[in-house]
Amino acid sequence: DTEVTQTPKHLVMGMTNKKSLKCEQHMGHRAMYWYKQKAKKPPELMFVYSYEKLSINESVPSRFSPECPNSSLLNLHLHALQPEDSALYLCASSQVAGSQPQHFGDGTRLSIL
Amino acid sequence: GDSVTQMEGPVTLSEEAFLTINCTYTATGYPSLFWYVQYPGEGLQLLLKATKADDKGSNKGFEATYRKETTSFHLEKGSVQVSDSAVYFCALSDPSNTDKLIFGTGTRLQVFP
Repeated sequence: DTEVTQTPKHLVMGMTNKKSLKCEQHMGHRAMYWYKQKAKKPPELMFVYSYEKLSINESVPSRFSPECPNSSLLNLHLHALQPEDSALYLCASSQVAGSQPQHFGDGTRLSIL
Repeated sequence: GDSVTQMEGPVTLSEEAFLTINCTYTATGYPSLFWYVQYPGEGLQLLLKATKADDKGSNKGFEATYRKETTSFHLEKGSVQVSDSAVYFCALSDPSNTDKLIFGTGTRLQVFP
């Protein structure tokens, strides 16, 4: 069983929709991450939160907006996405930023129509 | 910059065959090295890790030894099972920025009965 829970598992949305991806962990970890994974590719880091503060933004377009309301929750708000944004979005956590290993959720598979 | 190179897949084996997946790395410092596994429809799971030269990581019959002289971290298993079919990612933790995992491109393993 994964200790990082992501919802929803699948999401289909139009380019004008607004939706959110959610991630939750109860391991007491203080670092949380968003990754994007395209088919047959490795995960690409998008954002890192450390103690609920954004510490890394890998030049991600502003149509992706992360939010960390508390130490257990991480959201990714989506607006005006493009078809090329269709991918598997993975959340991960670690004890503190920079510590390994990272624990991954099963991801949200996002399709943009 | 730091990088990880993995052998191209897919690797196709019969059950009980010996497995080797090659991984080499480039790093300026002394990275920690990891193997992650991704089963179909799931996120990444840490399989094993090694934090310094000559360390051997092992788990579930898989092994990998951190070889600084050859900058390698090859994954091996003596007898694969059908349930080992998955994508395997070699990764390093960048010593100059430990918030980041640097992944290889992944190697798909297919094991047939």
